Amino acid sequence: SQTIHQWPATLVQPVGSPLSLECTVEGTSNPNLYWYRQAAGRGLQLLFYSVGIGQISSEVPQNLSASRPQDRQFILSSKKLLLSDSGFYLCAWNNPGWGFYGYTFGSGTRLTVV
Amino acid sequence: DQQVKQNSPSLSVQEGRISILNCDYTNSMFDYFLWYKKYPAEGPTFLISISSIKDKNEDGRFTVFLNKSAKHLSLHIVPSQPGDSAVYFCAASFAGGTSYGKLTFGQGTILTVHP
Repeated sequence: SQTIHQWPATLVQPVGSPLSLECTVEGTSNPNLYWYRQAAGRGLQLLFYSVGIGQISSEVPQNLSASRPQDRQFILSSKKLLLSDSGFYLCAWNNPGWGFYGYTFGSGTRLTVV
Repeated sequence: DQQVKQNSPSLSVQEGRISILNCDYTNSMFDYFLWYKKYPAEGPTFLISISSIKDKNEDGRFTVFLNKSAKHLSLHIVPSQPGDSAVYFCAASFAGGTSYGKLTFGQGTILTVHP
């Protein structure tokens, strides 16, 4: 069966520090991968998606970047965090060709920038 | 531009009664709609979906209604249970075209079911 792992679960980082959140998927190959963010009082906002290794599409301009160094690994990064980067970050995957079927989220990372 | 909107940030319902969560969308290209349920500190989980060729889909206590002309959908939970207390997200997508299933989410509605 397929599983998605996301870590860490919580993170408190000072302004200006770097960020690295990791997401891995098991039990499938060539998944579509997504990073979403839920800011306080806001809905889920798609940040990045990837349809293959090294292929990253950005949905909104921001202080963040994403990389996909391996087929089932998706990393969200920042060189210098801002207060506005605080939020709940979610990784998700689905199988190409399934469209939105089987769209599965990880358990999320609560990031607080202080 | 918020293409999917959930205008009620919260809803409080008595156990056993009906919960109705609403969602509006502006993009007429959307042709598939989903509801997700999210507990605190967890990722959203899929609840129920509906294609634009239908106006109703039912799964146990959960029913989703779609009114395409009004660009409106709703989720009915009958009877509501305390375990239903969570944040509910409406999401929309295109059924065809691109190879990725990009979802556009609403802001979410916090449902509280009181015993």
